[in-house]
Amino acid sequence: EAQLVESGGGLVQPGGSLRLSCAASGFTFSAYWMHWVRQAPGKGLVWVSRIISDGSSASYADSVKGRFTISRDNAKNTLYLQINSLRADDTAVYYCVRDSTYQPDIWGQGTMVIVSS
Amino acid sequence: QSALTQPRSVSGSPGQAVTISCTGGTSDVGGYNYVSWYQQHPDKAPKLMIYDVSKRPSGVPVRFSGSKSGNTASLTISGLQAEDEADYYCCSYAGSYTWVFGGGTKLTVL
Repeated sequence: EAQLVESGGGLVQPGGSLRLSCAASGFTFSAYWMHWVRQAPGKGLVWVSRIISDGSSASYADSVKGRFTISRDNAKNTLYLQINSLRADDTAVYYCVRDSTYQPDIWGQGTMVIVSS
Repeated sequence: QSALTQPRSVSGSPGQAVTISCTGGTSDVGGYNYVSWYQQHPDKAPKLMIYDVSKRPSGVPVRFSGSKSGNTASLTISGLQAEDEADYYCCSYAGSYTWVFGGGTKLTVL
């Protein structure tokens, strides 16, 4: 069974950094594009970033461009999101999501990031 | 990228049918047949219910169906059950390998 498990979230001060990880299992990770999607408390889902299967190309939402970096290690079946210069409005649950023909199909359970002093 | 437009809430009694709309534009919903729907129960991850506008993944009940007309997609749930009470989100491919989501609809089973 395909599964995604995120980790790395926590409480961080404004301006701080975190590295989120997402461990994939049950499918050929290196064959799939992967995304990060976030959900602020009580709010809707928002697309954050995408990386292609070999890791050579990535894209970002305007709200995180220049502060977030998506990457992957196909040998370790792991997706990453480096988040820097954190702001209060980055507070959210961050989901790792598999892309199946331009649509999200498998979601992780999410990892919570709280930005607060 | 502006969020797709969904009603904030819908409701229905057990056994009834409800429809949730999702309106975008020609650069997303109207431009691609890559519209999907997700069910999210409180403090849980979203679950795929419909993909490619109208296809159901294995294990999703047949009472969930999807359709699209122009720039508006719709999710219909027939024969409502108590466990269907949840938030529902639509998602569309928006070009340049990005996604755009709807704002979410809270379904209440009366």
